[in-house]
Amino acid sequence: SQKIEQNSEALNIQEGKTATLTCNYTNYSPAYLQWYRQDPGRGPVFLLLIRENEKEKRKERLKVTFDTTLKQSLFHITASQPADSATYLCALPYSGSARQLTFGSGTQLTVLP
Amino acid sequence: DGGITQSPKYLFRKEGQNVTLSCEQNLNHDAMYWYRQDPGQGLRLIYYSQIVNDFQKGDIAEGYSVSREKKESFPLTVTSAQKNPTAFYLCASTEIGARYGYTFGSGTRLTVV
Repeated sequence: SQKIEQNSEALNIQEGKTATLTCNYTNYSPAYLQWYRQDPGRGPVFLLLIRENEKEKRKERLKVTFDTTLKQSLFHITASQPADSATYLCALPYSGSARQLTFGSGTQLTVLP
Repeated sequence: DGGITQSPKYLFRKEGQNVTLSCEQNLNHDAMYWYRQDPGQGLRLIYYSQIVNDFQKGDIAEGYSVSREKKESFPLTVTSAQKNPTAFYLCASTEIGARYGYTFGSGTRLTVV
């Protein structure tokens, strides 16, 4: 079965720096990958979707890459702010292009002022 | 405003009781999902439904039941057969045939007392 690994449970960075979060997966080739933000006690909020034929996607200060050879996605937040502090989850379809998603355990990001 | 409403926000269950968690959406989404989140773990899929009157088991369906009598509603019952029900439960929905992100509710925190 597929497995998702997100780098280190917690990441602390200084305000203004770029945060880079990693999502690795094994055992299959997803048609797309998604990133979500989750604040404590709240449901996740969808941020970005990137398809297998897209190498990179940007949205404001966010950038996502998708390397299907390495089976890895990188999620970058540039010019980070304390308000960016949250847990970030990556998610992939259960198989191929299925709409059921499997989620990683998340990386908790803290941006220090 | 369109969205997903989960209720109640907090729920306490006694041993041997069945409890039902409500999930209602006014987004006109066809697909709905139930996930369970435990501390330090990713979301795990309990049940999902892609169309009214049809639903499928996810990875951890034992001890849970659902119904989908209306497009807008997807209630989850936690039965007494679920031995470790204390967790944060999240409902989500998405459009059919599209690789859009999920819209999540704000969650229900269930505690066994």
